Amino acid sequence: NAGVMQNPRHLVRRRGQEARLRCSPMKGHSHVYWYRQLPEEGLKFMVYLQKENIIDESGMPKERFSAEFPKEGPSILRIQQVVRGDSAAYFCASSPSDPQETQYFGPGTRLLVL
Amino acid sequence: GNSVTQMEGPVTLSEEAFLTINCTYTATGYPSLFWYVQYPGEGLQLLLKATKADDKGSNKGFEATYRKETTSFHLEKGSVQVSDSAVYFCALNQPDSWGKFQFGAGTQVVVTP
Repeated sequence: NAGVMQNPRHLVRRRGQEARLRCSPMKGHSHVYWYRQLPEEGLKFMVYLQKENIIDESGMPKERFSAEFPKEGPSILRIQQVVRGDSAAYFCASSPSDPQETQYFGPGTRLLVL
Repeated sequence: GNSVTQMEGPVTLSEEAFLTINCTYTATGYPSLFWYVQYPGEGLQLLLKATKADDKGSNKGFEATYRKETTSFHLEKGSVQVSDSAVYFCALNQPDSWGKFQFGAGTQVVVTP
């Protein structure tokens, strides 16, 4: 029973490029969450998605960031025109149909912007 | 708004010592409370949870009791091992915003032989 999968594990981008982070939830999970962890800090909620729907994006920066969870395929967190301040670890989590259930986390994608 | 406050680290202790990591929270209603552990270079793993007042979560020798009167969920282990060295995060999940976990800043624990 595979856990939450994220790829790539490490991503290096130059300022102005685009970053695409992928997340495949655990089998049977229909809820996906993205969090960002800055160095020496805890995780900050970014966005909560169900298949083809954004449920809560209150933690997403208003510009350059977007997320989707299509009917088929993984969830994508997209960061356009990256800046150095975007360097962080981005974690995806998933849960079963009930959002009050425990969230299970992936290994994260560590983004470094040069 | 909701918040989670953890004791600052790093916490350094010897093998077989007693570990306590304090966690207090601010929330309306009755949140569920969680402890997650993060090993170097890895994602978060659920350690234990409690969903209502006076519940005790336990796993791998770790315990935490949901204390509504003191709004606390302190993590304890009676005898730590070197392999317990990690960062520990306290978190809550609020009924009126299910899905939006609120995490503490994390507490690094270093266990020496």
